[in-house]
Amino acid sequence: TQLLEQSPQFLSIQEGENLTVYCNSSSVFSSLQWYRQEPGEGPVLLVTVVTGGEVKKLKRLTFQFGDARKDSSLHITAAQPGDTGLYLCAGGVKLIFGTGTRLQVFP
Amino acid sequence: NAGVTQTPKFQVLKTGQSMTLQCAQDMNHNSMYWYRQDPGMGLRLIYYSASEGTTDKGEVPNGYNVSRLNKREFSLRLESAAPSQTSVYFCASSVYGPEQGIIYEQYFGPGTRLTVT
Repeated sequence: TQLLEQSPQFLSIQEGENLTVYCNSSSVFSSLQWYRQEPGEGPVLLVTVVTGGEVKKLKRLTFQFGDARKDSSLHITAAQPGDTGLYLCAGGVKLIFGTGTRLQVFP
Repeated sequence: NAGVTQTPKFQVLKTGQSMTLQCAQDMNHNSMYWYRQDPGMGLRLIYYSASEGTTDKGEVPNGYNVSRLNKREFSLRLESAAPSQTSVYFCASSVYGPEQGIIYEQYFGPGTRLTVT
């Protein structure tokens, strides 16, 4: 069974700080996706990473896929209150979702 | 385009009651999905439909039934609700699905918050 574990579970930071969220598995994934979910809404896709070692940037968000395609990270530079939400990684044929990291950015 | 719509937004049931959650998408997507989301457990797949006329079990199908009514609509039925089914339910759709072996992006609805007492 493929599992995706995310860390940390919760993160509270001040505006302007940097942070990194991790998504780890013991299985190899052909691709991984990152979603953000705001309260009362469904998840929205941020990025898909496919190649081992791949780095993708989305404004202040940097996504990396591990060389062995078993892990991924999301780094946010100079976090803003608008980044607040639940960040989910997902992978596998049937899109298994990780447990999520709940981020709160205070002004 | 409305994207993926779900009804109702909120529902309270008593143990043993039945209900159907409705989902519709207007993006001409082939595949549709039902997930439940519980605190600390992420999203877990209940059932999915790779294409019109087909349905398959996901990770947590027990206690649920689904119907892919047509290409647009995919409903989830709880025949005899239990407190363990208290959750937020999300419907999603995608152009491709698990069977095609192609990376696919899922579009999610706003969710139905269900409480079973």
